[in-house]
Amino acid sequence: EDQVTQSPEALRLQEGESSSLNCSYTVSGLRGLFWYRQDPGKGPEFLFTLYSAGEEKEKERLKATLTKKESFLHITAPKPEDSATYLCAVQANTGFQKLVFGTGTRLLVSP
Amino acid sequence: NAGVTQTPKFQVLKTGQSMTLQCAQDMNHNSMYWYRQDPGMGLRLIYYSASEGTTDKGEVPNGYNVSRLNKREFSLRLESAAPSQTSVYFCASRSGTAANTGELFFGEGSRLTVL
Repeated sequence: EDQVTQSPEALRLQEGESSSLNCSYTVSGLRGLFWYRQDPGKGPEFLFTLYSAGEEKEKERLKATLTKKESFLHITAPKPEDSATYLCAVQANTGFQKLVFGTGTRLLVSP
Repeated sequence: NAGVTQTPKFQVLKTGQSMTLQCAQDMNHNSMYWYRQDPGMGLRLIYYSASEGTTDKGEVPNGYNVSRLNKREFSLRLESAAPSQTSVYFCASRSGTAANTGELFFGEGSRLTVL
């Protein structure tokens, strides 16, 4: 069974204090790993797709990396507006339509 | 550009009542999905429609039915609501074929409480 575990559940940072969020996964053949951002009361918003180990993608202060067992979302010099819940999801080579989501990491960045 | 629109945004039901959640997308996407989100459980797939005219069960389909009315619209029906169906429901869509790994576009959610 495909599974995604995110850690920590919650993370509090000071503005400018860099850190990383972890997404560990088990999947029967990875087709893609996705990162989404979700603000309170809103739907998730797409950030990145990673396809193979060693791949990296960046967007502003965020950088996502992928290994064969986990993905990291690195946040460099975060700002209060980066506060949100970050969700990780995997899509297997079979059951194409079915993304399996983790429970997310709630990030709070204080000024 | 509206994207994915869900109605209603909030609903309170009594046990046994029925209701339909509506979803429409204006991006000409082939695939549409219904997820539920519960604290500590993450997003779980209820049903999906890979293309107009097809629907398939996801991870937690019991107690729900869906209709892909046309390419734009995908509705979720609760025939006899139960307190366990209290949740936030998200509709999503994406372009491409069944093998697609494109991004999901989500609506803003429908918050359902069953008393």
